Amino acid sequence: GAGVSQSPRYKVAKRGQDVALRCDPISGHVSLFWYQQALGQGPEFLTYFQNEAQLDKSGLPSDRFFAERPEGSVSTLKIQRTQQEDSAVYLCASSLGGEQFFGPGTRLTVL
Amino acid sequence: RKEVEQDPGPFNVPEGATVAFNCTYSNSASQSFFWYRQDCRKEPKLLMSVYSSGNEDGRFTAQLNRASQYISLLIRDSKLSDSATYLCAVKAGSSNTGKLIFGQGTTLQVKP
Repeated sequence: GAGVSQSPRYKVAKRGQDVALRCDPISGHVSLFWYQQALGQGPEFLTYFQNEAQLDKSGLPSDRFFAERPEGSVSTLKIQRTQQEDSAVYLCASSLGGEQFFGPGTRLTVL
Repeated sequence: RKEVEQDPGPFNVPEGATVAFNCTYSNSASQSFFWYRQDCRKEPKLLMSVYSSGNEDGRFTAQLNRASQYISLLIRDSKLSDSATYLCAVKAGSSNTGKLIFGQGTTLQVKP
């Protein structure tokens, strides 16, 4: 497809489990962003990649959160030892430098 | 105080009404401004970029007031299909990452 894709679309995890969320950006898009959206709130920035380089990770809430984009295309957001407060929608966006195009998100529920 | 603030609403308006939303931002160095539309359980989709001179796209008009640090979105002749959450987003001028700072979103319900 032409858009940003994310998988899985829904993830239920038990507290303490590790999860991995995948983002396939639009082909050729250099910039990739991860955002976290809690219910009733706007998306909040987590981290930014330019190609394979993670240039900004100031929004990651704790060292349990880790993101990578090893070949400058697909990105994975990993959350270790999930907590209930990690429950949210995780949105990925890609960009050529201007408009950001969002994927459908992964809805994470931590029980 | 949040960096970008919006009235969450909801705004309940009849079809055909004109409705306006404001969004204030605190960082005077902010350079780029956007309105996104988000339908329930869907991703945000860009509605309009906001230019200094103001811009219009059909029934939608966006304005920027740098002096007072707010942006606005005007929707004329509201349709049922306009019901959604409208998010304003600001790209921080001091950041070279292009990250967006979003407001909480304003919910619009257009009633028949």
